[in-house]
Amino acid sequence: DAGVTQSPTHLIKTRGQQVTLRCSPISGHKSVSWYQQVLGQGPQFIFQYYEKEERGRGNFPDRFSARQFPNYSSELNVNALLLGDSALYLCASRSVASTDTQYFGPGTRLTVL
Amino acid sequence: AQSVTQLGSHVSVSEGALVLLRCNYSSSVPPYLFWYVQYPNQGLQLLLKYTSAATLVKGINGFEAEFKKSETSFHLTKPSAHMSDAAEYFCAVSDRPGGSYIPTFGRGTSLIVHP
Repeated sequence: DAGVTQSPTHLIKTRGQQVTLRCSPISGHKSVSWYQQVLGQGPQFIFQYYEKEERGRGNFPDRFSARQFPNYSSELNVNALLLGDSALYLCASRSVASTDTQYFGPGTRLTVL
Repeated sequence: AQSVTQLGSHVSVSEGALVLLRCNYSSSVPPYLFWYVQYPNQGLQLLLKYTSAATLVKGINGFEAEFKKSETSFHLTKPSAHMSDAAEYFCAVSDRPGGSYIPTFGRGTSLIVHP
């Protein structure tokens, strides 16, 4: 089975622009979470979605938004990009049967110039 | 509130030597504890997890960790390091508010393995 996939792998934007990152969970997984990993730090939780509803939100500004589609894929949107948004954005999915275990995708490396 | 402290941003060992990566946690409820490994330019891979069963947890690639409630620790060990173990390791803690299992990660420890 395919793992969690994310696109694009790399992205370069300039300050003030908007970006959309995409994630496809493992087949059968209905929960998707997004994390931001700044260089040299651990991942920070941004959002969690389950069955297309937001189930958790981390301490991030309203410039960050997300949604989950009927096929359980997800998008993360970031508006008005700042230099500090440069990071690796990770998506993780989990199944209902094993809710304490997340499976991470390879991430999208976002660079804001 | 929950938090994780990983002692040592870098740990350097020789190939064949014992690996010990330290993790201390803080949690207001019985915790779920995890160790993840991240290779360069990749996502995180689960090494092992503690979810209130046996306190000594065995994971993949020969790693294991012991949950010590009295010390609020969950240190990761491996008897003999391989060159392929060189990577970034993250300890994480989560509780279960409403079933969300949202983990809090430590800052990570970079394991360097010398030939």
